[in-house]
Amino acid sequence: AQSVAQPEDQVNVAEGNPLTVKCTYSVSGNPYLFWYVQYPNRGLQFLLKYITGDNLVKGSYGFEAEFNKSQTSFHLKKPSALVSDSALYFCAVRDSGAGSYQLTFGKGTKLSVIP
Amino acid sequence: EAGVAQSPRYKIIEKRQSVAFWCNPISGHATLYWYQQILGQGPKLLIQFQNNGVVDDSQLPKDRFSAERLKGVDSTLKIQPAKLEDSAVYLCASSFLGDTIYFGEGSWLTVV
Repeated sequence: AQSVAQPEDQVNVAEGNPLTVKCTYSVSGNPYLFWYVQYPNRGLQFLLKYITGDNLVKGSYGFEAEFNKSQTSFHLKKPSALVSDSALYFCAVRDSGAGSYQLTFGKGTKLSVIP
Repeated sequence: EAGVAQSPRYKIIEKRQSVAFWCNPISGHATLYWYQQILGQGPKLLIQFQNNGVVDDSQLPKDRFSAERLKGVDSTLKIQPAKLEDSAVYLCASSFLGDTIYFGEGSWLTVV
């Protein structure tokens, strides 16, 4: 079975400060990891993914995430937060060896960037 | 490139009524998913199609939910009869095999 934990329901950060949204995962095989963002009354937008290779992955809107196999983590980061980054962020995982391509999502972290 | 299209965007129905949601995936995407997102939770997979066939429907409440994918393209998700706990966002998504999954804007259902 595969699972994702996002330990923080909400993260508050001042505009211009760095932000981190935490994610840990559990899979039986090698993980494929994803971050999505959801703005109010919208669907999920893909931000970035880790499949293989470099542990630091860069994505849309200046976001990046670091894959850490020993800690089974995939934290989302941004060097300087914008008010427009305020949204709901979801981490997701799937087992690279699974025949099904479905993703398992965390419960989400609400990011609030304070002007 | 056009994204995943869903309709209707919003629907309010009374309990025990029926509702249907439509989805048109990204062109060329053989894999189609329906997820349910209840307020305050992450999306949960209801059903996954590969072309016309069902890959996984283990979490679909089959006594009230049904889904089909016509000719391997469009898909319809139906709920009959609806319960209060079915109030949620129904997200359709598609992917090219095991590549990145892209989501539509969602269909927001309120059951009163």
